[in-house]
Amino acid sequence: GDSVTQMEGPVTLSEEAFLTINCTYTATGYPSLFWYVQYPGEGLQLLLKATKADDKGSNKGFEATYRKETTSFHLEKGSVQVSDSAVYFCALSDKAGNMLTFGGGTRLMVKP
Amino acid sequence: DGGITQSPKYLFRKEGQNVTLSCEQNLNHDAMYWYRQDPGQGLRLIYYSQIVNDFQKGDIAEGYSVSREKKESFPLTVTSAQKNPTAFYLCASSMGWEGTEAFFGQGTRLTVV
Repeated sequence: GDSVTQMEGPVTLSEEAFLTINCTYTATGYPSLFWYVQYPGEGLQLLLKATKADDKGSNKGFEATYRKETTSFHLEKGSVQVSDSAVYFCALSDKAGNMLTFGGGTRLMVKP
Repeated sequence: DGGITQSPKYLFRKEGQNVTLSCEQNLNHDAMYWYRQDPGQGLRLIYYSQIVNDFQKGDIAEGYSVSREKKESFPLTVTSAQKNPTAFYLCASSMGWEGTEAFFGQGTRLTVV
């Protein structure tokens, strides 16, 4: 079945540092890929998405590129802020859009 | 405002009791989902529904039941058969088409006392 693997956290960075959170997937065909963010005690919010190979999703300074050849969708941000501290989830949806499969989540902590 | 609403935010249950978690959406979405999240872990799919009066088991359906009598509503019942029900429960909805994202509620934290 489909699966998503994320780097384990926590990731601890100083403010204005560069962020990379790795995500790789296993799926049949070409799924759509997503990054979600979860703040403490809340639900998940969509951060960005990409629906086909070489697409780049971007939002709020975060970017991720759909790499079919490496089955990856790594999340990057050039300069993190304390307010970016949260848990980040990589996910894919099957071709029919029936459901999302999530990675285990990566906690990011940004220190001032 | 359009969105997806879960209630209550916190819920306490005695062992051996059934409890129902509410999920309502006004986004006109066809598909709805229930996920369970345990501390420090990812999300696991309990049930999903792509259309009214139809639903499918996810990866961890044992001890749970759902209904989809209306497009807007997808309640989840945690039964006494669920051996470890204490968790954070998240409801989501989507258009159900390829490439469309899911929208999540704020979650219900269930604690068995």
